[in-house]
Amino acid sequence: EPEVTQTPSHQVTQMGQEVILRCVPISNHLYFYWYRQILGQKVEFLVSFYNNEISEKSEIFDDQFSVERPDGSNFTLKIRSTKLEDSAMYFCASSEGFERGGRVEQYFGPGTRLTVT
Amino acid sequence: AQKVTQAQTEISVVEKEDVTLDCVYETRDTTYYLFWYKQPPSGELVFLIRRNSFDEQNEISGRYSWNFQKSTSSFNFTITASQVVDSAVYFCALSEAPDNFNKFYFGSGTKLNVKP
Repeated sequence: EPEVTQTPSHQVTQMGQEVILRCVPISNHLYFYWYRQILGQKVEFLVSFYNNEISEKSEIFDDQFSVERPDGSNFTLKIRSTKLEDSAMYFCASSEGFERGGRVEQYFGPGTRLTVT
Repeated sequence: AQKVTQAQTEISVVEKEDVTLDCVYETRDTTYYLFWYKQPPSGELVFLIRRNSFDEQNEISGRYSWNFQKSTSSFNFTITASQVVDSAVYFCALSEAPDNFNKFYFGSGTKLNVKP
């Protein structure tokens, strides 16, 4: 069964450093997402991406964050200058997309645990 | 205001007991989707079910069943004859038409502990 993959599983970085989290969505999906989950808290929407542009973003997704689809398979989240409060589990997800007549459920990757020290 | 409320923070049951996880949602839209996801101790989020706002028919899948009631804005999840492997955090989520259903609002989750 196709699945979303994410690398690395755990990333430790120092405050102020840039990090790039990588995701490979399910191959026939057209919509991609990033969510984060601070330890013990709810999963929070960050951004959705379709057709090489951001379609929706939350107030959390400020200028420190950016997303990119550098090739036909990867989807990345970059945090430009990490802060302590960026420590969280980051989930990538993908879906067929309602606008394309597909299913709306999002399939999540296993997550990348980001620790900022 | 919270769009999705899961009032039960943690529930503990003994194996073979039935357990119901509550989910109450809030939306002004007439077209929306509701979801349940399971997050086992390993941390991934596993999709369990999707329901759209026009389909109030309850669904059963093995030991899992879901009760969707628009009148009370609830989408509750029941596990029958619980097993230790059901131990996980369960999240209810909502997506709405104005976002083309692309933005999920998650509840805070209910941690289910099933003891042998």
